[in-house]
Order: sequence, then structure tokens, then C-alpha cells
Amino acid sequence: AQKITQTQPGMFVQEKEAVTLDCTYDTSDPSYGLFWYKQPSSGEMIFLIYQGSYDQQNATEGRYSLNFQKARKSANLVISASQLGDSAMYFCAMREVNTGGFKTIFGAGTRLFVKA
Amino acid sequence: KAGVTQTPRYLIKTRGQQVTLSCSPISGHRSVSWYQQTPGQGLQFLFEYFSETQRNKGNFPGRFSGRQFSNSRSEMNVSTLELGDSALYLCASSLAFGTSEQTGELFFGEGSRLTVL
Repeated sequence: AQKITQTQPGMFVQEKEAVTLDCTYDTSDPSYGLFWYKQPSSGEMIFLIYQGSYDQQNATEGRYSLNFQKARKSANLVISASQLGDSAMYFCAMREVNTGGFKTIFGAGTRLFVKA
Repeated sequence: KAGVTQTPRYLIKTRGQQVTLSCSPISGHRSVSWYQQTPGQGLQFLFEYFSETQRNKGNFPGRFSGRQFSNSRSEMNVSTLELGDSALYLCASSLAFGTSEQTGELFFGEGSRLTVL
């Protein structure tokens, strides 16, 4: 069955430093997509980055990169040069292509605090 | 392009009542998913609709139901409300699987915050 695990309930990072948010997943489907979303205190969910299971290279979007280690089933989010506006909840998510039946499941989330 | 619109944004109900939430997806998006978000349980998948058909359902009791209309707008209904149904209900739309953009990225509305007293 699909499962997403985020083991860090909260993380602190100093402004301008890099931070890694951990995510591991479990699936038996060879074809799947991995996502990271950001949820600021205002509540809206914002898509950050996507990694397909067959993608050979790690995804990058501006200051966000996804460290994809397929054999270890991990998809960690790296935020470089943290900014105060990065303080938010971050969710890792997965969608199975074949067996997931058109649903995306989410991890419990990691709350990131950026310190000035 | 307008984003996902959810109404109402806030509502208060009492136990035993029923509630209907509405979601208008981004134009051209035919897939609509619903999630319940609570501090204790995180984001829980409720159901997903595509072309008026429910394609998948999460582990929620039958009190939770939904539907999708021909214009892709979706509604979800919760009957016989319980205190534990207090939550932020998020709707998300995405492009149909099989299009050129097959990532399945979800575009979320701002949510409907339900309080059950």
C-alpha cells in the first residue's frame, strides 16, 4: 500500500542557510510521482516540485531541489538560501500511476521555522 | 486563469446537521480531489472525481459523499455531522491523466473551514 513518511515534525534553520526535509515512501507500483507542497500559515497549498519515478536526474526549481534516491525510496527536499518567507508546513506527497487509482497521498508534514 | 474556488470559506454547524461544500476547478481541469485536513490526522484523501465519475475513495464513513457535475464543478456533502468532522476541507483540481502534463500536480483551493459545535 502507498505510504509517505516524514519523520521531522519541526525543523529550525538559520536564514540564508540550506535545509533538508526528509521524506520516505513505500509503493509497489513501478510508476509514480513524488511532490512537495508548501502550506503557509494562511492555509493555501502551494506546489513546489515534482519528481517522476523514471526521471534520471534530480528535479530542481529555483531554490528547491529534490534529492531522489530511488533504491532507498527517499525524496528529500532541499531548500537553499533559506528566507524568512520559507517558514511554513511542508508536505511530501506521492501519486501512483497504475495502482493508486488516481489519488495523491500526503505525509504528515514538517513545520519549518526560519530564524533571522 | 482563475484558480480553484471553494465556497463557503468558513461555516459553523451543530452536531447532527449536514453540510454541502462546493468546489469550482481551474478551467480545463477535469479531475477534482477532496481532502480533509486536521491537526491530528494531517491531509486525508476523501475522494477523486473525473468526468462525473468517482474513481477512488478514501477510508471515510458513508456520511461523506460527493459528486461532480458536467462542468467539472464538484460538491461534497457530510451528513449527520460529528464533532470530529471539524476540519479544513481542501479541494484540488488537476489536468486529466493522459494529457501532455501528466505529473498530476494538484492545484488547491483555499479550503472550507468547518466547525462543528
